[in-house]
Amino acid sequence: SAVISQKPSRDICQRGTSLTIQCQVDSQVTMMFWYRQQPGQSLTLIATANQGSEATYESGFVIDKFPISRPNLTFSTLTVSNMSPEDSSIYLCSVEKGTGGVYGYTFGSGTRLTVV
Amino acid sequence: GQQLNQSPQSMFIQEGEDVSMNCTSSSIFNTWLWYKQDPGEGPVLLIALYKAGELTSNGRLTAQFGITRKDSFLNISASIPSDVGIYFCAGLQETSGSRLTFGEGTQLTVNP
Repeated sequence: SAVISQKPSRDICQRGTSLTIQCQVDSQVTMMFWYRQQPGQSLTLIATANQGSEATYESGFVIDKFPISRPNLTFSTLTVSNMSPEDSSIYLCSVEKGTGGVYGYTFGSGTRLTVV
Repeated sequence: GQQLNQSPQSMFIQEGEDVSMNCTSSSIFNTWLWYKQDPGEGPVLLIALYKAGELTSNGRLTAQFGITRKDSFLNISASIPSDVGIYFCAGLQETSGSRLTFGEGTQLTVNP
């Protein structure tokens, strides 16, 4: 199983600034995933982060806007750059490891971002 | 990307009632996962299904992997107030590697 620590849990930011979100896992994982959940919506995958290589971004998401670091097998960061109010969302990291002995994907508790 | 159609979008039930929700797709999935999300939290895995036709239970929750591999349902029996939350289905396709596709979610409200 995996336990994920994600921070900050929430933040209110000024437009035009950037916020870096951290995700720490208690065990080594090959892939880490970053999601965005807009208000009242489902989860949308932003990118997949592998250690030692550049992240792979989904359609509609670009590295300049959402740079990702993956310095080791237990840690990753997602930066939301040059923020606008449309970036107000919950951002979640996830790993391909289950909980309680059940295979699946475990999620962090999310970062609730409000851009004003 | 591939869409998962989840229904119903919301449900309002009385405590003690049973609940059923489902996800369908036009494409085949190899794995189905069901999650619950409470306010201010990330999704928590409830049940994972790996084979067509598989029926799996977790307490009052039962989920099935459709035999066509294009659908899955989740049942909650004898609902209680703490069942309130948003339930998401998620699936893995052979062509998508490890990238999950999520349904739109079912908002469940349980009246005591």
